[in-house]
Amino acid sequence: AQSVTQLDSQVPVFEEAPVELRCNYSSSVSVYLFWYVQYPNQGLQLLLKYLSGSTLVKSINGFEAEFNKSQTSFHLRKPSVHISDTAEYFCAVSDDVTVFRRALTFGSGTRLQVQP
Amino acid sequence: IAGITQAPTSQILAAGRRMTLRCTQDMRHNAMYWYRQDLGLGLRLIHYSNTAGTTGKGEVPDGYSVSRANTDDFPLTLASAVPSQTSVYFCASSDSLMHEQFFGPGTRLTVL
Repeated sequence: AQSVTQLDSQVPVFEEAPVELRCNYSSSVSVYLFWYVQYPNQGLQLLLKYLSGSTLVKSINGFEAEFNKSQTSFHLRKPSVHISDTAEYFCAVSDDVTVFRRALTFGSGTRLQVQP
Repeated sequence: IAGITQAPTSQILAAGRRMTLRCTQDMRHNAMYWYRQDLGLGLRLIHYSNTAGTTGKGEVPDGYSVSRANTDDFPLTLASAVPSQTSVYFCASSDSLMHEQFFGPGTRLTVL
């Protein structure tokens, strides 16, 4: 069975500071990895994904994540955050093998709070 | 293009009542999913459907049922609601060739 651990439930950070949101996963098969963002009272939006190839993936708004197979991690980073980045961030994993094929297994979420 | 729509937006329901949450997508995706979101637990899969006419149980299926009569609609039914089903429910869809899922805006359900 798959599992996803997001080590920090809340991350307060000042505007323009760097941030890292941590994500570790557990799976016995090859996985696909995702970061979704949820703004207040909204649904989830895909931020970025790793399917194969380059282990460093980037979003259009400055976030990046690196797939580390040996450490089973997919941490999310941004070198300089903005107030508008305040949201809940979810790490998720899927694969092509398990019973819930292609369904997502989510972490518990990390609330990023950007302060002025 | 609307993407995925869910109805109602929110609902307060008495325990023991029957309730159907509606989900419709216009992207012709063959796979659809229902998740519930609870504080501190992230999103958990309730039921899924890989294609019209087929459904499967997810991680937390008890107390819920689904049907998939066509490609676009994937309703979730609570036959007899209980307070522990108070949650925010998200519907999602994906194409069989894609790995990412698209989410609806959610339904906030309160069972008293």
